[in-house]
Amino acid sequence: GIQVEQSPPDLILQEGANSTLRCNFSDSVNNLQWFHQNPWGQLINLFYIPSGTKQNGRLSATTVATERYSLLYISSSQTTDSGVYFCAVYNTDKLIFGTGTRLQVFP
Amino acid sequence: KAGVTQTPRYLIKTRGQQVTLSCSPISGHRSVSWYQQTPGQGLQFLFEYFSETQRNKGNFPGRFSGRQFSNSRSEMNVSTLELGDSALYLCASSPGQRLEQYFGPGTRLTVT
Repeated sequence: GIQVEQSPPDLILQEGANSTLRCNFSDSVNNLQWFHQNPWGQLINLFYIPSGTKQNGRLSATTVATERYSLLYISSSQTTDSGVYFCAVYNTDKLIFGTGTRLQVFP
Repeated sequence: KAGVTQTPRYLIKTRGQQVTLSCSPISGHRSVSWYQQTPGQGLQFLFEYFSETQRNKGNFPGRFSGRQFSNSRSEMNVSTLELGDSALYLCASSPGQRLEQYFGPGTRLTVT
């Protein structure tokens, strides 16, 4: 089946720093979503982005489906950005999750 | 619109028992999917229901089952619980297949 890999697995930042999270997938996908999982386990939708670039405040995402990767950019990080970031891709009509990037932002 | 709701939020069961979890989707959404999250296996797809029919199933044993009602609410059932079934169970709803999914807060199941 399709493999979805995220990098880096862990990221530690100081408040105000910028970061780029990467999601690579091994096969063609119908769609792609980025989520932020907060400490209570809730998955929060960030982007639904099958291709192209989208921006929402300090966050933006780019998916290049033909090259099988997506990037999530976080600018001017805040302590509330801490948590685990997942990308998930639609393949064979199922949502397959990546392994996640754990982000810790310190004041 | 109200978000996806799941009940109960926390549950403790004993090995061998069975459990039923409930999920109410966002109003107007007809697709409901279930996922299991464990530290070792990550987030894994269990099954998807649309208009009361199971459309997709993940690689889980038959002890895991589900159903969807005419109002799109869904339940999942796990019979003969094992210690390894301890996990966060997440439900997601979507207007249709391959469209954006929205997740509920999850049910944290502990099997002792």
